[in-house]
Amino acid sequence: GQNIDQPTEMTATEGAIVQINCTYQTSGFNGLFWYQQHAGEAPTFLSYNVLDGLEEKGRFSSFLSRSKGYSYLLLKELQMKDSASYLCAVRDGAAGNKLTFGGGTRVLVKP
Amino acid sequence: DGGITQSPKYLFRKEGQNVTLSCEQNLNHDAMYWYRQDPGQGLRLIYYSQIVNDFQKGDIAEGYSVSREKKESFPLTVTSAQKNPTAFYLCASSLRDRSGYTFGSGTRLTVV
Repeated sequence: GQNIDQPTEMTATEGAIVQINCTYQTSGFNGLFWYQQHAGEAPTFLSYNVLDGLEEKGRFSSFLSRSKGYSYLLLKELQMKDSASYLCAVRDGAAGNKLTFGGGTRVLVKP
Repeated sequence: DGGITQSPKYLFRKEGQNVTLSCEQNLNHDAMYWYRQDPGQGLRLIYYSQIVNDFQKGDIAEGYSVSREKKESFPLTVTSAQKNPTAFYLCASSLRDRSGYTFGSGTRLTVV
């Protein structure tokens, strides 16, 4: 089976930086995804890591360490519209490549 | 434009009734998935299908059924055996063995 942990909630100020950590345990790691989900809406894709290192995409960056079973999503220059839940998901090659999701981290951006 | 469509957006059901949620995609994706999301929670896998006429149970399949007669369609039936069906249901699709998921806009089911 898989176990994916991420903090339940984080609060940050507009313009600041927030880092959302995700730790995982899986038998057949085959990639890690980050999704953003606004309340009542579908998740939207943010980033994908399969090799160790940092992937940067505008204000969002994601980091992966496979040996540590660890990833983080970094949100820079926070805007009010970044208030949402952020879901970490791991793809398991030993389980049909389907994604298993963490519980999500709710980020609240304050003025 | 290609995409994945779920209908209806909101659905109300009386206790003891079966209800079917629709999911259609025109992305030519091989794999399709159904997830359930409860308030403040992550996504839990109900059923998934990697090819037409084949599907597998996810982590919480009890009280649900699916079919995959066409590549484009993966309907989910919530049966009366599902004890706590009120939730937000998300359908997703992906290219087999690679890429992430494309999600539909979801169906919010409420049992009254």
